[in-house]
This record gives sequence, C-alpha cells and structure tokens, in this order.
Amino acid sequence: EAQVTQNPRYLITVTGKKLTVTCSQNMNHEYMSWYRQDPGLGLRQIYYSMNVEVTDKGDVPEGYKVSRKEKRNFPLILESPSPNQTSLYFCASSLHGGRRSYNEQFFGPGTRLTVL
Amino acid sequence: AQKVTQAQTEISVVEKEDVTLDCVYETRDTTYYLFWYKQPPSGELVFLIRRNSFDEQNEISGRYSWNFQKSTSSFNFTITASQVVDSAVYFCAGGTSYGKLTFGQGTILTVHP
Repeated sequence: EAQVTQNPRYLITVTGKKLTVTCSQNMNHEYMSWYRQDPGLGLRQIYYSMNVEVTDKGDVPEGYKVSRKEKRNFPLILESPSPNQTSLYFCASSLHGGRRSYNEQFFGPGTRLTVL
Repeated sequence: AQKVTQAQTEISVVEKEDVTLDCVYETRDTTYYLFWYKQPPSGELVFLIRRNSFDEQNEISGRYSWNFQKSTSSFNFTITASQVVDSAVYFCAGGTSYGKLTFGQGTILTVHP
C-alpha cells in the first residue's frame, strides 16, 4: 500500500531533550516536506526537500533540522525542543515539486508532540 | 514572500445549501500552483485539486467546483448541495516553482442536518 508513515504518532517530552520524528514513503517520491499545524495558523512548512541531499527552509525552520540521505526517508530533528514547538506535525511527499510541476502531496497521519 | 488568505475562518450552513470558500494567493512568481485540501474530523489531509497558474479553466468534480481567476489571484471552491459529510477544515495552498508551499489558515465548514 502506497503510504507515508510517521513515528511516533504521539510524543510527550521535556524541554531540551533531543528527539527525532521519522518519516518514510514507499512511493519513490522525489519531494518531501514537513509541516506543523497550529490552531488558527493552518499548516506551516518547516523544511522541504526536492531530492536526496537537497533540502531547503520553509516558513518556520527555526529550532528544527532535517536530512535527506535516502530518497524514502526524511527525519525531522529537534535538537533542543521548547514548549513553543508543541504542535501537530505532518510529513508529506509528492512525485515532484517545484519546476517539474507539483503533484498531489500525500500526507502522513501526523505526530502530536507535546514539550513540557 | 508568498501569502495565502482564506477569507472565511468559519462557515456554518444547513444541508443542501451551496457554499463558497474564498482563497487569494499572493506571489511575485508568474508560475505557481494552487491546491485545495480537506481535513475531516478524523485528522488526515485529503487532496482535492491542483491548478497551475497558466490554466484558468474552471473545474467541476461532482458537487465540487473551482474557479481560478489569475487577474485577482483567487482560487475559490464551491460545494453545491452541501452534505453533513462535507463538514471539515478546508485548506487552500500555493506553491512556487522552487518548491516552497504555503497554506492558508483554513476554513472550518460545518454543515448542519
């Protein structure tokens, strides 16, 4: 089944404790992206990747890191989480993005993160 | 910088009413892509439509229709004869030719029986 998976789905942690949220897709998509969803603010793009080893900042990259060493994986790293990073996080992928024409983005189920 | 503005924060209608969700996308790019996504109460994000900036054709899919007007950068979404199952948060989004995607704040649609 074609899908985007995220782990964990729920996470409660404390300020300053490094964490990684994994994202994996099995559709051989080039484009992957991370978003956070907060009430009244919609989805805001954190980072995106047009292909392996190519990443770029979205609208709210501060406090986050990403890497794209393989096509299928795009982990989101919070090196020192803070309470203002409490949010619902979505990973997404699409066949192409940008100049090669956007395709439908497939979203993961979301990760609800609480930072105490 | 890009900006997506969804005019309505919340809309409440009674079943069978038509409802239009407004979206305006601001960008300096001449090539861009517009999307609508639906987020039902279960939380997943469901793709509805994509439109390129050089394609101004309107589109109809069942009870859903979309009207894109490049002159005003508007990409409005109409649901005809709304149903309770249409209750969801609807997001408009715009993407640039270099990969950045910006979402609006969402419109919460509630359809009452």
